[in-house]
Formats: sequence, structure tokens, C-alpha cells
Amino acid sequence: QVQLVESGGGVVQPGRSLRLSCAASGFTFSSYAMHWVRQAPGKGLEWVADISFDGSNTYYADSVKGRFTISRDNSKNTLYLQLESLRPEDTAVYFCARGAAGADYWGQGTPVTVSS
Amino acid sequence: DIQMTQSPSSLSASVGDRVTITCRASQGISNDLGWYQQKPGKAPKRLIYAASSLQFGVPSRFSGSGSGTEFTLTISSLQPEDFATYYCLQHNSYAWTFGQGTKVEIK
Repeated sequence: QVQLVESGGGVVQPGRSLRLSCAASGFTFSSYAMHWVRQAPGKGLEWVADISFDGSNTYYADSVKGRFTISRDNSKNTLYLQLESLRPEDTAVYFCARGAAGADYWGQGTPVTVSS
Repeated sequence: DIQMTQSPSSLSASVGDRVTITCRASQGISNDLGWYQQKPGKAPKRLIYAASSLQFGVPSRFSGSGSGTEFTLTISSLQPEDFATYYCLQHNSYAWTFGQGTKVEIK
């Protein structure tokens, strides 16, 4: 069955960096675009970034453009999100999702807290 | 960016009620819309894709309709496990956008 498992979240000070990972299994990872979506505490869902199946194309929300980098390693079935110059407003649970007519499968999320 | 306006933001309903949630897109998105259910502390779960196609395994009391700019999620007979927050998601443009969410509470 399709599984997406995020990791790498934690508490980090403003201005610091963090790398999130999403390990995929149960499907041909290299055939699908992948996405990151976040949810701030008590708030709605916000799309963050996506990457094409082969990594050749990436897109970002304006709120993270220039600070976050999405990447993937198809040999390891893993999606990444590098978060840099973190701000308190980046505090959220970060979900990875498989891109198929929108997002069909989601991971359980990894929390990121940006606080001094 | 395409804006999605979802209404209502919350509603109170009883078990057995018919519930309707609406999303309006700021420009035409064909049928590139999905509906998601989220319970506290959990990941979103897709209910409907392509505006009106029922996700495998989702009960038939859930249905979606619409195309272009107006979309509707209907729960024909609300069940206790349906109390949750619902979101629409447009994926017509490279920058996806979600509706603000509708919290369905017990009356």
C-alpha cells in the first residue's frame, strides 16, 4: 500500500535551517510529481512547493520562494524540503503528498516550530 | 494566483442532515478540484477528485458537483464520523490553492 513518512521536523531558532524528508513506498515513486503542504497551528492548509516526477521542474509558493528548496532522490524513493532563513510564521506541520489529480495520498506530517 | 472562496466557514448539523459546502474559484479551473476531509491531528483524506469522482473506499453519501468556477460537496445523510473540517483544493494552476475550510460540528 502507498506510504509516505515524513521526518526531520523539530524546534529551530529564527534564521536557522532544517531539512525535511519524506520516504515513499508502495508505488513507483519516480512516476509521480510530489508536493509539500503545510498547516500552521489552528489554521488551514497551504501549498508550499512541488516537483515534477523527474525533478526537472519545481514550483514554490510566494511565501517561501528563495528560502525553501524542494528536491528528490528517485534512487532512494525520498522527497526533501530544505528550509532556510526560517521565520516564526513558518511554524507548521509539514505534509508531503503524492500528486495525482491533485493530492491523493498524504503522509502523517512532521512539525516544525520556529522560536527563539 | 487562483483564489478559492469556501463557504460556510462552519456549520452545525445533526446526524442524518443533508449538508452542502461550496467553493468558488476566482477564475475557471475546469474540473481540477478535489475535496478533502481532515480530523484533528490527522492528515487530510481525499473524498472527491476531478470535481465529481468519488475516491475509492469513500462512502457514497459523499458527492461532488460543479465545473468552471462553482463547486459543491454534498453529504446526503451526515454520520457521526463525518464531523470534521472539509477543504477544497484547486490544482488547475501550478500554484495550488485551498479553500479556507468548513468545520462541521454537531448540533
